[in-house]
Amino acid sequence: EVQLVESGGGLVKPGSSLKLSCVASGFTFSSYGMHWIRQAPKKGLEWIALIYYDSSNKYYADSVKGRFTISRDNSKNTLYLEMNSLRSEDTAMYYCAALSRGYWGQGVMVTVSS
Amino acid sequence: DIVMTQSPSSLAVSAGETVTINCKSSQSLLSSGNQKNYLAWYQQKPGQSPKLLIYLASTRESGVPDRFIGSGSGTDFTLTISSVQAEDLADYYCQQHYSYPPTFGAGTKLELK
Repeated sequence: EVQLVESGGGLVKPGSSLKLSCVASGFTFSSYGMHWIRQAPKKGLEWIALIYYDSSNKYYADSVKGRFTISRDNSKNTLYLEMNSLRSEDTAMYYCAALSRGYWGQGVMVTVSS
Repeated sequence: DIVMTQSPSSLAVSAGETVTINCKSSQSLLSSGNQKNYLAWYQQKPGQSPKLLIYLASTRESGVPDRFIGSGSGTDFTLTISSVQAEDLADYYCQQHYSYPPTFGAGTKLELK
């Protein structure tokens, strides 16, 4: 059974940092590009970052470029999202996904509020 | 970036009706190399993550009921749900995976009339 399990979310103050993790199982994690996608409360889906299967390329949405860093550890089947200089508009559910296979995690909530 | 425009934003239906959701892309999603359209449809129920229904515009994901039908080519795509059931009440999103970054439509909320 394919599983993507995110963790590391929570309530933080503006300007803070947070690191999300996503542990994959049930498929060959190291063969697929992985994405982070977020969804603000009552809003639609926003793609924010992609990392190639071998970490050779990384892409970011303009809204997070320079503040967020995507990375992965294929030996641990784990995807990461390091988030710095968090803003209230970063408040959202964050999903990791292997979009090419249609695999999504259950999401982790990040709330940025003073 | 490719802009995905979805319509309508919400739709009220009765069980048993057939509904159509439209998705228009700002650029063609048709690959000249393999003649495939790189368009996916997702269903999202409250409190759940999105579930892939359709990929390559018209291919149903394994286990998806055949009442879900994807069609279209180029820049215009449609998701048709025939004989809507109560379990189909959800938000639906189109997404292009023709080029990076992948982009989503704003969503269509399917509600009970």
